[in-house]
Amino acid sequence: GNSVTQMEGPVTLSEEAFLTINCTYTATGYPSLFWYVQYPGEGLQLLLKATKADDKGSNKGFEATYRKETTSFHLEKGSVQVSDSAVYFCALTSNFGNEKLTFGTGTRLTIIP
Amino acid sequence: DTEVTQTPKHLVMGMTNKKSLKCEQHMGHRAMYWYKQKAKKPPELMFVYSYEKLSINESVPSRFSPECPNSSLLNLHLHALQPEDSALYLCASSLILLTGTNTGELFFGEGSRLTVL
Repeated sequence: GNSVTQMEGPVTLSEEAFLTINCTYTATGYPSLFWYVQYPGEGLQLLLKATKADDKGSNKGFEATYRKETTSFHLEKGSVQVSDSAVYFCALTSNFGNEKLTFGTGTRLTIIP
Repeated sequence: DTEVTQTPKHLVMGMTNKKSLKCEQHMGHRAMYWYKQKAKKPPELMFVYSYEKLSINESVPSRFSPECPNSSLLNLHLHALQPEDSALYLCASSLILLTGTNTGELFFGEGSRLTVL
């Protein structure tokens, strides 16, 4: 079955530091990959996505590249801000139009000024 | 309109009460979902509706009863809940393409925080 493994948190960084949150996956076929973000007290928001190998998703300064050879979709940002403090979830769905989204366990990120 | 609206935002109920959570979207999405999220955990899928028909039930206890009255609305009826059912309940929707393929890109509401006493 499908599974997503995320870097254990919590992660604490200083403002303007470089961020990497690792995500690897196991899936049949060619899944679509997503990063969702959950700010305190809110629901999840789609941050970025990639639907095929070598695609790069990007949004709000965050980037992630779909690497089929390493089955990875690591999230990166060059200079984090306090407002980036949130929980980040890596997720995938199969390419068969499956309605089930498989989530990783989430990584809590705290940025200190 | 790219919002999924959930009501109420907070709900406290006793174990003998009957209550309902409501969800609404006007994005033309024909797939709608209920998720349950406990603190510091990822969301867990409960139910999926496609074209207003229940397509996935993740072995959820019968004290949770979903309903999809039309393509914009999704309800979750609650009856005889247990304290361990206290959680954030998230509604989401996604687009089904003309090919019948679900994009898998979910739009979430802000959730209904349920406390069962």
